[in-house]
Amino acid sequence: AQSVTQLGSHVSVSEGALVLLRCNYSSSVPPYLFWYVQYPNQGLQLLLKYTTGATLVKGINGFEAEFKKSETSFHLTKPSAHMSDAAEYFCAVSDGSNYQLIWGAGTKLIIKP
Amino acid sequence: DVKVTQSSRYLVKRTGEKVFLECVQDMDHENMFWYRQDPGLGLRLIYFSYDVKMKEKGDIPEGYSVSREKKERFSLILESASTNQTSMYLCASSLTGVWRNQPQHFGDGTRLSIL
Repeated sequence: AQSVTQLGSHVSVSEGALVLLRCNYSSSVPPYLFWYVQYPNQGLQLLLKYTTGATLVKGINGFEAEFKKSETSFHLTKPSAHMSDAAEYFCAVSDGSNYQLIWGAGTKLIIKP
Repeated sequence: DVKVTQSSRYLVKRTGEKVFLECVQDMDHENMFWYRQDPGLGLRLIYFSYDVKMKEKGDIPEGYSVSREKKERFSLILESASTNQTSMYLCASSLTGVWRNQPQHFGDGTRLSIL
């Protein structure tokens, strides 16, 4: 069975610092991977996705993620945090066997001035 | 852009009431989903539908039912609302696609309080 682990329910970084949000998955087949962002009192918005091809994926708002098969990871990064990045971030995975996504528990990103 | 619209942003109902949450998408997506989101528990799938009049139970279907009479509309029904159903409810839709690797697109959510 697939699963997704996001390390750290809360991550705090200073404005201008590197953002690193961790996501590890378990899947018996090559996965499809997604990062979503949720701002307070809103729905989820797709940040980026990996389906096939290049393992470094660029998304919106300056975020990117790298698919590392050997480490079963899909960590989300941004070189310089901005106050507007404060939100909750969710990693999700699909193995393509059905239409469902398996979700991580989410990581709240806190930006310190 | 895909637009998923949930009928209410905030809703307050009483215990025992029958509650309807409506969701409409405008991109001709085959698949639609209902989740609930609670602090510390992430997203939990209640029901999903991959075609009109088709439905599948998710992880937590108890106390809920769904209806999909038209492709664009997916309704979540709380048969007899209880206080433990107070939550944020999120609707999503997705294309089927060849490889079933399509992202889900979300509405803004309905924050439901049962008193």
